[in-house]
Amino acid sequence: SQQGEEDPQALSIQEGENATMNCSYKTSINNLQWYRQNSGRGLVHLILIRSNEREKHSGRLRVTLDTSKKSSSLLITASRAADTASYFCAAGTSGTYKYIFGTGTRLKVLA
Amino acid sequence: DAGVIQSPRHEVTEMGQEVTLRCKPISGHDYLFWYRQTMMRGLELLIYFNNNVPIDDSGMPEDRFSAKMPNASFSTLKIQPSEPRDSAVYFCASSLWELMSPWGSEQFFGPGTRLTVL
Repeated sequence: SQQGEEDPQALSIQEGENATMNCSYKTSINNLQWYRQNSGRGLVHLILIRSNEREKHSGRLRVTLDTSKKSSSLLITASRAADTASYFCAAGTSGTYKYIFGTGTRLKVLA
Repeated sequence: DAGVIQSPRHEVTEMGQEVTLRCKPISGHDYLFWYRQTMMRGLELLIYFNNNVPIDDSGMPEDRFSAKMPNASFSTLKIQPSEPRDSAVYFCASSLWELMSPWGSEQFFGPGTRLTVL
């Protein structure tokens, strides 16, 4: 399977804590993206990191990318109950416009 | 803009029937993707189009599945005949390739069509 993998599969934390999710992929990429999916809804884009970048920030989000290990991590700081959702990484395959999605991490933030 | 529009939102059909899912991408976007999401297999890319032309359909599971994009504002995914294992949520997404950028760009997803084949 070409599908990426994410861990943990599920994460439960208290409001205010930080949440870290990891993603591994198999292909050569030109970018990696993170998406959020609320229950019963479509995916919403969070952040894109290029293959020549190692770290990127957006608000309470911090993404790192290690192309030598084919892995990425998403950190959500000071989590809120509204962050409860599933989070997916999507690896943009080099030479194509094809994205391989990870299996997702289900995050639950307890108020 | 209203975002990516998909119809119907829910579809229940019987095995053997033809199913047609519809998608209207965001105006001006030049890429359109069809994905299928199931608990077992996660989110799978079925096919994507660039400027209405199918580029990669390697994810289409079998000949029962077909997709068309007759113009820039409309695409269909058809399953004929449908089978219970086709039950899933089908997403359409669109994107605008940033000019001269090799880095890709974000995809905008529709709300999905939940298909149940009995």
